[in-house]
Amino acid sequence: KNEVEQSPQNLTAQEGEFITINCSYSVGISALHWLQQHPGGGIVSLFMLSSGKKKHGRLIATINIQEKHSSLHITASHPRDSAVYICAVTYITQGGSEKLVFGKGTKLTVNP
Amino acid sequence: DAGVTQSPTHLIKTRGQQVTLRCSPKSGHDTVSWYQQALGQGPQFIFQYYEEEERQRGNFPDRFSGHQFPNYSSELNVNALLLGDSALYLCASSFGGTMNQPQHFGDGTRLSIL
Repeated sequence: KNEVEQSPQNLTAQEGEFITINCSYSVGISALHWLQQHPGGGIVSLFMLSSGKKKHGRLIATINIQEKHSSLHITASHPRDSAVYICAVTYITQGGSEKLVFGKGTKLTVNP
Repeated sequence: DAGVTQSPTHLIKTRGQQVTLRCSPKSGHDTVSWYQQALGQGPQFIFQYYEEEERQRGNFPDRFSGHQFPNYSSELNVNALLLGDSALYLCASSFGGTMNQPQHFGDGTRLSIL
């Protein structure tokens, strides 16, 4: 079982809809990252958070440390939001090294 | 201000060959991390370089090695290539030798093994 699980795997929405992508993890983390990957491969870091909530434009990321869960919300979705959204967590191993583990991603398609 | 640049963008090799991929970090960054992303999967962490040393390593065999130069640029070397090494190889830069900083990614090198 992967340390990071995302849902749904695929999501299709109509332009203007409110989108929620979920991420659950099984370890105590030091940070959680939300990333966006467009076709062709380039990845953009959207958020890095360790508590609470962050907002940037139409994107909102929240994290609940006790429940080991984070959500990425997109308000007023647009076709240009179509991409794969990846959740990743940073944690410290028993040996004291840092580890960064990624989810498999959620493929979002927003239709006009 | 240049972001993270990777070269080459695409590469085709055959089994058993060796390959070197290159990465220049974003200006002001001193830490480079490498990731492998197979088709349809999330990236997997290979290793991280900081102060010209390998600081963290994921579950990759010794065939995967790297180097960081005094100007913070980095190389990823893969020896004895296998078909399963076909993937998108991503480089990300950050500051301070920790993963608890935003990672800035390059566009990747797509490696195909025949």
